[in-house]
Formats: sequence, structure tokens, C-alpha cells
Amino acid sequence: EVQLVESGGGLVQPGGSLRLSCAASGFIVSNNYMSWVRQAPGKGLEWVSVIYSGGNIYYADSVKGRFTTSRDNAKNTLYLQMNSLRGEDTAVYYCARGLYSGSATPFDYWGQGTLVTVSS
Amino acid sequence: QSALTQPASVSGSPGQSITISCTGTSSDVGAYNFVSWYQQHPGKAPQLMIYEVTNRPSGVPDRFSGSKSGNTASLTISGLQAEDEADYYCSSYTSSSTRVFGTGTKVTVL
Repeated sequence: EVQLVESGGGLVQPGGSLRLSCAASGFIVSNNYMSWVRQAPGKGLEWVSVIYSGGNIYYADSVKGRFTTSRDNAKNTLYLQMNSLRGEDTAVYYCARGLYSGSATPFDYWGQGTLVTVSS
Repeated sequence: QSALTQPASVSGSPGQSITISCTGTSSDVGAYNFVSWYQQHPGKAPQLMIYEVTNRPSGVPDRFSGSKSGNTASLTISGLQAEDEADYYCSSYTSSSTRVFGTGTKVTVL
């Protein structure tokens, strides 16, 4: 059974850093396209990043240069390193798996999300 | 990258059909047949309902259908049911190899 479990969220001060994890089971992260999507409280979905099975990574303009997506093949885990955090980064962060291996893949399995709150 | 434009809300009675529009640009919706639709119930993760404009993943009822014309994609729910009450988001692949979501539509079953 495919499962995605996010962790690492919490309260952080503006300018601070946080690393989110997405532990996968039932499939191999490195063989799939994986994405991070966030949702501010009461707001809509916002795409954050995608990592291809081949290693290419793309980011939304709003996080480029501040966030880094990576994966640990041995731990079968996806990460989102978030630096220089701002109030507008406050959101529930979801990881999601691509339906197929292709640059335009939609995402069919999602985690339950982890809440990041940026506030002093 | 600006969000795709969706109506804030759409409503219908059980058994009726409703359509949600999703308007983008020639760099996203209009450029590719890579539009997806997601359903999200309160407090839950999104669920993929339609991909590549018209395709349904296994397990999604055939009352859900998608289409596209130019820079606007649409999701139609036929035979509306109470459990269809949720938020719906479109998403498109873009010419920058990124993704963009729509502003979201709240569907209310009257």
C-alpha cells in the first residue's frame, strides 16, 4: 500500500529554517516524480516544487533560492529544506507522488500534510 | 506564475449537473493537454479526479468529466451527489516546467 507521511512542521520565527520530511512506503521515491504543495490556512493550493526521478528539480518563483528539495534513497524519504522563512510561508505542506514518470504528471497519492507556522 | 482563474463557488441540487471553469493562458492551459482536477474535502488531502484534461483515475465515478477549449478547461459533475460537496482545484503544467493551481471553487449541494 502506498503511504506518504510528512513530518517536521512547527513554529519558527521569521528568517528561520525548517526541514520537512516525507517518508514513503509501498513504492520507491527515487523511481518516481515527487512534489511539494502547500496550502495557507483557509486558502487555496499552491505548488512548491517537483523532483523528477532523473534528479531534475523545479521550484515556484515564490520559494526559489530559499527552499531546496532533495531525497534520501536509503531512507526512501523526500525532504524540503526551507530557509529565510517568511510569514507568507505559513501553510500546511503536502508531499505527493506522480501518477506516472513524465514531466507533466499529475499527483495521485498525497500525504496528510504538516503545518508550518512562521511567526514571532 | 499567476494562479488559474476559477469561480469562487458553484451550487446545484442533487441529480443536477454543474460545470466549473478554469481559465489560464497560452503558457499553461492553452499550451498543453496537461490539465488536472483535484477534489478536497475539509481537513483532508486533495484527491486526483481528472488528469490530461479528460482522463479519470481508477475509482473515480464517471459522473466526473473534463474538457478544454483554448485557454479554458472545465470540470463537469453530472448527477450531483451530496458527497460531491467539496473544494475543487484545477492544475496545469506550464511552459516553464512548473505547475500552477487554480484559485479553487467551493461546490455546494443544495
